[in-house]
Amino acid sequence: AQTVTQSQPEMSVQEAETVTLSCTYDTSESDYYLFWYKQPPSRQMILVIRQEAYKQQNATENRFSVNFQKAAKSFSLKISDSQLGDAAMYFCAYRRGGSGGSNYKLTFGKGTLLTVNP
Amino acid sequence: EPEVTQTPSHQVTQMGQEVILRCVPISNHLYFYWYRQILGQKVEFLVSFYNNEISEKSEIFDDQFSVERPDGSNFTLKIRSTKLEDSAMYFCASGASATDTQYFGPGTRLTVL
Repeated sequence: AQTVTQSQPEMSVQEAETVTLSCTYDTSESDYYLFWYKQPPSRQMILVIRQEAYKQQNATENRFSVNFQKAAKSFSLKISDSQLGDAAMYFCAYRRGGSGGSNYKLTFGKGTLLTVNP
Repeated sequence: EPEVTQTPSHQVTQMGQEVILRCVPISNHLYFYWYRQILGQKVEFLVSFYNNEISEKSEIFDDQFSVERPDGSNFTLKIRSTKLEDSAMYFCASGASATDTQYFGPGTRLTVL
């Protein structure tokens, strides 16, 4: 079974600085997707960024970028120029890829609570 | 921008009562999901639904749970006889295809007393 591990229960960063959140995963599959979701105090799950395992290029979305190391099964999220609105719980998630079958559920890590200090 | 909606935002019920949580997925999406998050814990998969039938369910999704798409827009999760441990945030998600990104609704907070 796939597992997702986030080893940092909490992180803090100063406003305007950069922070990196860690995520590792375990899978025997070669085709899969990785995601970072943000959960602010409202508890809504908001997609931050997505990475296809077959792509070597790291995904970026404005101030958010990932460092995807497939061999190491590592998928970290870098937030640049941190803003107060970035404060939230961040979840790393895995989903198998490919076609056929029905198992496309998301498997989540336990989350990292990010605090942004003014 | 289209979004997934869920009602109610908060439901309080007595143990043993039936509850129905409602979701309206994004209109052209075909794959639907329910997830659960007990306070302070990670998000857990409950069930996926496609073509009017369950495509996968987790161990959590026992006989007390059922899902239905009663019309072309709603997707419901029913818990027949709620237990204290069913208290959680329930998220609905939808995707255009099996491999598409899953977009989440704002969640329904269920409190079982």
